[in-house]
Formats: sequence, C-alpha cells, structure tokens
Amino acid sequence: GENVEQHPSTLSVQEGDSAVIKCTYSDSASNYFPWYKQELGKRPQLIIDIRSNVGEKKDQRIAVTLNKTAKHFSLHITETQPEDSAVYFCAAAADDKIIFGKGTRLHILP
Amino acid sequence: KAGVTQTPRYLIKTRGQQVTLSCSPISGHRSVSWYQQTPGQGLQFLFEYFSETQRNKGNFPGRFSGRQFSNSRSEMNVSTLELGDSALYLCASSADTGSPNEAFFGQGTRLTVV
Repeated sequence: GENVEQHPSTLSVQEGDSAVIKCTYSDSASNYFPWYKQELGKRPQLIIDIRSNVGEKKDQRIAVTLNKTAKHFSLHITETQPEDSAVYFCAAAADDKIIFGKGTRLHILP
Repeated sequence: KAGVTQTPRYLIKTRGQQVTLSCSPISGHRSVSWYQQTPGQGLQFLFEYFSETQRNKGNFPGRFSGRQFSNSRSEMNVSTLELGDSALYLCASSADTGSPNEAFFGQGTRLTVV
C-alpha cells in the first residue's frame, strides 16, 4: 500500500542550530505535502505546507523543499528555539486520501 | 469560528466493552477523518467520512466503525475492546475544495482499556 517514511524518529539539536526532517512518499499521485507540529499534550497543528507545483516554500524560520522526481520532501527549521521542541509529522495527500509519517520527536538542547 | 470538538476527553473502559467517541467538525467542513495515535506509531488512519458516506478506510479490524450525520458530526465506535486499543483518538475536519488541504484536529479522546 501507499506509504510515507519519515526520518529521523528522534532528533536533538543545540538551541540556535538548524534541524532537518526528511520524508519520502510512494504514491506518485500525491500533490499536497503538509507538516504538522504536535506539542506535548496538544493537538497537531499545521505549520507549513507545499503543493506539487512548487519546489520550496519558506515562512520565517521554517522552510519546506519538495523533489517530486525523487519523491522526497523535507522540513528545515533554522535558529531553533526551545518552543520548537515537539513532535513533527509530515504527510502526503492525493485527492481525498492523506497519509502521515510516523513523526519525529525534536528536542532543543539548551 | 469554533474548532473541532471531541467528546469525551478521557475514557476508561474494561476489556470486552464497547465505546463511542464523538467529533463535531468546524462549521462548513464536510470531511471528517479519524486517527489512532500511539507512541512510536504516529497517526494511523482509521477512516474518513464525507457527506455521510465512508470515503476511505484504513487497515483496522471491523471492530472499529464509524458514521457521519447530516450535520457532519461523526461518531466512532469500537466494540469488544482490547488492551491494545488504548490510545489517543483524534479526529480532523477539512473543507472540501476539490483538492487536498489543511486538516484541523480536535484535542482528542484518550481511551484507556483496562
């Protein structure tokens, strides 16, 4: 079946450094790639998304890149801060179906 | 605009019992999806309802079922509960614009089976 692989499952970075989370997907019909952040005890919330007709999108300290040929997309967080500590989920969607990755737990070290 | 509301927030049930969870989507959203979240397994898709019809289904046993009402509110039922059903159950609603877009999650129902 269709699948989204997300790596790493856990990531620790020093405050101020950058963090990168990578995802691959299998369904070539996927055309929408959102990223969700889930803080401890809270609901997942969309932080950034990208559609298949765009290769890169940036919003302040976060950016997402998409390589449709390789079926890869990545989340980049620069100048990490303590409030970036959370679980991040990538997803790939086609029409009415969305598949999530298993999540990356990001720890920001002081 | 009110967000996605799930009730109850917490449930404790005994093995073999059944449970019903409720989800009220954002007003105007007709698509409601359900997910099971457990540590290490991420968000596992259960099913999606649109206009009272199940549009997509994940790989869960038949003990997991759902329905959607004409006002788009959705319920999920789990019968013959097992210990492994203990999890956070999240629902999400989205607007149907003809292409995929943002899913808005509820705060979840934490189910504990003892």
